[in-house]
Amino acid sequence: GAGVSQSPSNKVTEKGKDVELRCDPISGHTALYWYRQSLGQGLEFLIYFQGNSAPDKSGLPSDRFSAERTGGSVSTLTIQRTQQEDSAVYLCASSPDRPGGNTIYFGEGSWLTVV
Amino acid sequence: SQQGEEDPQALSIQEGENATMNCSYKTSINNLQWYRQNSGRGLVHLILIRSNEREKHSGRLRVTLDTSKKSSSLLITASRAADTASYFCATDPQGKLIFGQGTELSVKP
Repeated sequence: GAGVSQSPSNKVTEKGKDVELRCDPISGHTALYWYRQSLGQGLEFLIYFQGNSAPDKSGLPSDRFSAERTGGSVSTLTIQRTQQEDSAVYLCASSPDRPGGNTIYFGEGSWLTVV
Repeated sequence: SQQGEEDPQALSIQEGENATMNCSYKTSINNLQWYRQNSGRGLVHLILIRSNEREKHSGRLRVTLDTSKKSSSLLITASRAADTASYFCATDPQGKLIFGQGTELSVKP
């Protein structure tokens, strides 16, 4: 596709259930990011994939959060045993290379509500 | 802790006025970028300024960078109601892009 695609766009889940959020980056982009944004807040860095390098997981808030990137393309963010505080917009972004000199392109986000 | 911090957190102006938003950061950078976000959805890139640049223009946007003070400013001239959005600065310490908390701009017609 032309842009970064995320699915689902909205997800309501019960506390304790697992959820998977998917991101399709722009074709050919080697860098992929996940961010979390709570209502009215800034973007919280979660994880960063760059090519074949080991991902930077330093932003993941707990071991309930994990992410994979298969074949250097599609990424899945998994949240296990969801809690109400996990409710937020989860934003994915991709970039042609390291961000130092490049714009990153965002998807429209996945709104997660944990009830 | 956040690498970038925007100031003010919220700004309300009348259409036609200029809007200035500031960003401070903590560690040395290669570049600084500004993004815009409407209604809590995906961010859109506005402008990138490199560490060896002091000022950059794009349409009604002017960005300055002062590496000695570790700060940047975004100026929107002749604001329009459509400029109402949240504006974020982002820097790239350690190879990843880190965003500040944002400035919420409201432009009243």
